[in-house]
Amino acid sequence: QQPVQSPQAVILREGEDAVINCSSSKALYSVHWYRQKHGEAPVFLMILLKGGEQKGHEKISASFNEKKQQSSLYLTASQLSYSGTYFCGTEWFRDDMRFGAGTRLTVKP
Amino acid sequence: GAGVSQSPSNKVTEKGKDVELRCDPISGHTALYWYRQSLGQGPEFLIYFQGTGAADDSGLPNDRFFAVRPEGSVSTLKIQRTQQEDSAVYLCAGRAGLRTQYFGPGTRLTVL
Repeated sequence: QQPVQSPQAVILREGEDAVINCSSSKALYSVHWYRQKHGEAPVFLMILLKGGEQKGHEKISASFNEKKQQSSLYLTASQLSYSGTYFCGTEWFRDDMRFGAGTRLTVKP
Repeated sequence: GAGVSQSPSNKVTEKGKDVELRCDPISGHTALYWYRQSLGQGPEFLIYFQGTGAADDSGLPNDRFFAVRPEGSVSTLKIQRTQQEDSAVYLCAGRAGLRTQYFGPGTRLTVL
């Protein structure tokens, strides 16, 4: 059972903010966020373990709501380089990784 | 090596032929995953190894697909009697402990 991501696609202007959501039907052990550019492998952004923590990476941060079984990725003051497809990977127990269908983010000048 | 490598990078084959895809993970990554990614989709789980053994092969679509990792490092994904629906990018990823997965560049398989 793969997680559900929303929205499917987002178009932003440089400097705008975006939120990408990832929901699971089962209790989560961890959530991993990746960004993939066209023709390239997914690149790791951050990992969140159960406990409701929030992490940051430059102007990209994420939260993990264990109770709601969901995670959100926050992109602030977006840059052109943020364009790509964002995937969440979820584990219900350790090493059982499944990926969502992705959110395509386009940042325009 | 410095990163995860996969070979070949591209493979074009005819329907009905067998193919082998290779993954060489980062040294020390005891867990190894195979995924299949179609255009516009997320990575679809195929199989996961912990060491030499397949810990979870529930994602293999049918018995034409199987994978091995005989020495706990390099893995080979084998697809027999390929079909056009097998066309996709096949990704492998390695992992050490609780850390995240590190993906290889993928093998683009095209079945004519």
